Amino acid sequence: NAGVTQTPKFQVLKTGQSMTLQCAQDMNHNSMYWYRQDPGMGLRLIYYSASEGTTDKGEVPNGYNVSRLNKREFSLRLESAAPSQTSVYFCASSEWGGSETQYFGPGTRLLVL
Amino acid sequence: DAKTTQPNSMESNEEEPVHLPCNHSTISGTDYIHWYRQLPSQGPEYVIHGLTSNVNNRMASLAIAEDRKSSTLILHRATLRDAAVYYCIPQRHGSSNTGKLIFGQGTTLQVKP
Repeated sequence: NAGVTQTPKFQVLKTGQSMTLQCAQDMNHNSMYWYRQDPGMGLRLIYYSASEGTTDKGEVPNGYNVSRLNKREFSLRLESAAPSQTSVYFCASSEWGGSETQYFGPGTRLLVL
Repeated sequence: DAKTTQPNSMESNEEEPVHLPCNHSTISGTDYIHWYRQLPSQGPEYVIHGLTSNVNNRMASLAIAEDRKSSTLILHRATLRDAAVYYCIPQRHGSSNTGKLIFGQGTTLQVKP
């Protein structure tokens, strides 16, 4: 099992450009999450999907949109990138929401110039 | 959400035990205490969790104070691979919990050979 995979690993954008970060899990998990981590900080939740067909805002949703494409895939879109969105983005999944252990992907490093 | 306090950094020698403390004095009665760690340039990984009783697994032990206002993660024999940032995260169990993990600054553990 690959677990949680993320693409791309690294991306450089210019201010105003758009891009989609992809995440997939092969553990048949129902819940998926997007976090961002700024240098020297802990992770902060952007959006989550408790189950296929549902999405909800987390702590820092502004400037992002998400799509739960199917049970396996959860994508994060930046419509108009800003330098403040320079960060490392982590996708995670869990069997259900609530108390279940979350499994994290390797991250996508995004630099917005 | 319960607030946590952890030391910014700790050092250990290889092969010696490490005790990583966490203060969570505002924890509610239904919050479990979860520990995750993040190795350099990787996503976080689950370590252990517990409610009231001490817990052991293959990675570590978790000692929870009787009043539940603090806990200690114990690595019995630190290895160089244990060098990471360790996060203590109270999490409410049950259907009302979205699964959101609130990451603080964590404790950066350095292991010296």
